[in-house]
Amino acid sequence: DADVTQTPRNRITKTGKRIMLECSQTKGHDRMYWYRQDPGLGLRLIYYSFDVKDINKGEISDGYSVSRQAQAKFSLSLESAIPNQTALYFCATSDPGQGYNEQFFGPGTRLTVL
Amino acid sequence: GQNIDQPTEMTATEGAIVQINCTYQTSGFNGLFWYQQHAGEAPTFLSYNVLDGLEEKGRFSSFLSRSKGYSYLLLKELQMKDSASYLCAVRFLIYNQGGKLIFGQGTELSVKP
Repeated sequence: DADVTQTPRNRITKTGKRIMLECSQTKGHDRMYWYRQDPGLGLRLIYYSFDVKDINKGEISDGYSVSRQAQAKFSLSLESAIPNQTALYFCATSDPGQGYNEQFFGPGTRLTVL
Repeated sequence: GQNIDQPTEMTATEGAIVQINCTYQTSGFNGLFWYQQHAGEAPTFLSYNVLDGLEEKGRFSSFLSRSKGYSYLLLKELQMKDSASYLCAVRFLIYNQGGKLIFGQGTELSVKP
C-alpha cells in the first residue's frame, strides 16, 4: 500500500474554477509539503507544514492556499485557477527524527487549467 | 540565492559508468540529497551526503566536497531502467526559518543499448 496518496491523479479544469488537491499519508510524519513541477524548472515549494497548527509559505505561494486538517492530511487549494498553474503537483512528507529527514513523495496530481 | 546547477541531460551506454555533477552555493549548507524520478512518477530517495567523501550504495555512489560546493552521483553498470531524471537537492539553514530544501532542475539521463 502507498504511504503517501494524492487525489485526484489527473484533473482538467477551466480558468476561474476552485480546485482542491488532497494528500493523505500513513507514515505518521509530522512534516508535509506541497510542490509543483514544471519542465525545466524542477520542484518548487508552494507551502509546508511542520505540524497540525503550523502552516508556512514556500517560494511560490501566490494563488494557492492550504489546510492541514489532521496529521495525516494536507490539502492544497487553487481559489481561482489560471492556465499558468498547469503543472504536476506533488505532496511529500518527512520526519526529522528518522533517517536523514529525507522527503517521501506521493504519486503526483497532473493538473491542466484551460 | 541558493542556486543548484546540474546538467540538463546526459546520454550513456548500457553497462557503462556515468557521473552526474551538481554544484551549489556553500553558505548555509546542511546536507545534499539525490533523488531518482522516472517520467510521470514520484521522486524517490537515492542518497544523502552531509560530510565530505563518498557514500556507496550498490551500483550508485554519491560524493560531496563541501568546500567546493560540489557533489556527483555515480551510476555503474548502467541498465536501461536507469533512464530517468536525477534530482540534486540541497538543504540550507536559513536564519529564523530552519532548514530549507532547494531542488535543482534535474538531469535527464538516457541509457542507450
